[in-house]
Amino acid sequence: DAKTTQPPSMDCAEGRAANLPCNHSTISGNEYVYWYRQIHSQGPQYIIHGLKNNETNEMASLIITEDRKSSTLILPHATLRDTAVYYCIVPGLFSGGYQKVTFGTGTKLQVIP
Amino acid sequence: DVKVTQSSRYLVKRTGEKVFLECVQDMDHENMFWYRQDPGLGLRLIYFSYDVKMKEKGDIPEGYSVSREKKERFSLILESASTNQTSMYLCASSSPAGITEAFFGQGTRLTVV
Repeated sequence: DAKTTQPPSMDCAEGRAANLPCNHSTISGNEYVYWYRQIHSQGPQYIIHGLKNNETNEMASLIITEDRKSSTLILPHATLRDTAVYYCIVPGLFSGGYQKVTFGTGTKLQVIP
Repeated sequence: DVKVTQSSRYLVKRTGEKVFLECVQDMDHENMFWYRQDPGLGLRLIYFSYDVKMKEKGDIPEGYSVSREKKERFSLILESASTNQTSMYLCASSSPAGITEAFFGQGTRLTVV
């Protein structure tokens, strides 16, 4: 698996953009970057994924550097409900070629009123 | 609405008991996962199944086994529960077709006394 590194915690003012970084310097050319978040007492929830190009959906934007060694998840207007742990994941493969979804410890984002 | 359902939200068992944690998904997904989540350690993959009766060990399989007799159901078994297996257990499912996200259940908080 490509290892990912994220800061353990971040704060963001409500209404501001939250920019969550992730390093994945060992990522290979055909591996996608996924982002999930886990709100307290709930299971993780998928946010977005990307390969090379920047991606945007109704929840967030994903910016991937040209060398693909890092990415940034952007929540354009953070709300209190965005307080959660955010996980950056580069799934590996089991021996049979099936995707192995392994989580690290993530970034705990605290949105402050 | 897609759904992954875990049979119990909270469970208390005695040391040495055989414990079954059940997970059912209604999305016809081939892949199913069991994770445990502990403070400071994030989510760790215990076992993964990519088809009925098929399984792969994750990162921490010791002390656990799994069963997948039907496509929609994936069971985690603690043969002889120990106090160090007190944790939050999360089940997930995903489709192997292309690049897809994993859907998680709400989790089972197991306490072994």
